[in-house]
Amino acid sequence: DIQMTQSPSSLSASVGDRVTITCRASQGIRNDLGWYQQKPGKAPKRLIYAASSLQSGVPSRFSGSGSGTEFTLTISSLQPEDFATYYCLQHNSYPRTFGQGTKLEIK
Amino acid sequence: QVQLVQSGAEVKKPGASVKVSCKASGYTFTSYGISWVRQAPGQGLEWMGWISAYNGNTNYAQKLQGRVTMTTDTSTSTAYMELRSLRSDDTAVYYCARDPPDYYERVLYFDYWGQGTLVTVSS
Repeated sequence: DIQMTQSPSSLSASVGDRVTITCRASQGIRNDLGWYQQKPGKAPKRLIYAASSLQSGVPSRFSGSGSGTEFTLTISSLQPEDFATYYCLQHNSYPRTFGQGTKLEIK
Repeated sequence: QVQLVQSGAEVKKPGASVKVSCKASGYTFTSYGISWVRQAPGQGLEWMGWISAYNGNTNYAQKLQGRVTMTTDTSTSTAYMELRSLRSDDTAVYYCARDPPDYYERVLYFDYWGQGTLVTVSS
């Protein structure tokens, strides 16, 4: 099974800050990775697909990079609505696996 | 527009079974698969398994093997997830998500999700 190690598990930041979240895969997954935002009581919402492609309708302050085993999600300038939990998900092979999640909180 | 609409909340006793449905619309159901994902209260996302809506092939998470069965009804474009021998730690919100077979364009993987179904297991 491919393990996805996501860090940090939590992050405290202020509006306007730039933040980066990382996922490491235990083996190469090409760019078969998506990033998701989840708010309480809601289904996950995809932000990034194919590791670096911006989902239609998602603000351009979100960006993704990486390939193989190292991936990052960057939010260039945090907005109040960005405080949520973020997950990476690999769909390269079965079982699909998620990162443990990063809870982004207001400082 | 693509939609996945799930059945309503369930309350079950330990040892019982639950069957959650996920009705798809807005796309050709049999060209894709469906993955099921669950989230226990305050916890992360856990992949449970996948079913092909084309031929019914399945791939289950090892920890759920023997307790979970995923099926589809192509006449109604509906996927089902049945979990048996329920325990308290099966209490979770269960989601379905569109998950195509291998070699589809990456934009199509886990792009649409159902709204979630809360399953509570309590005596």
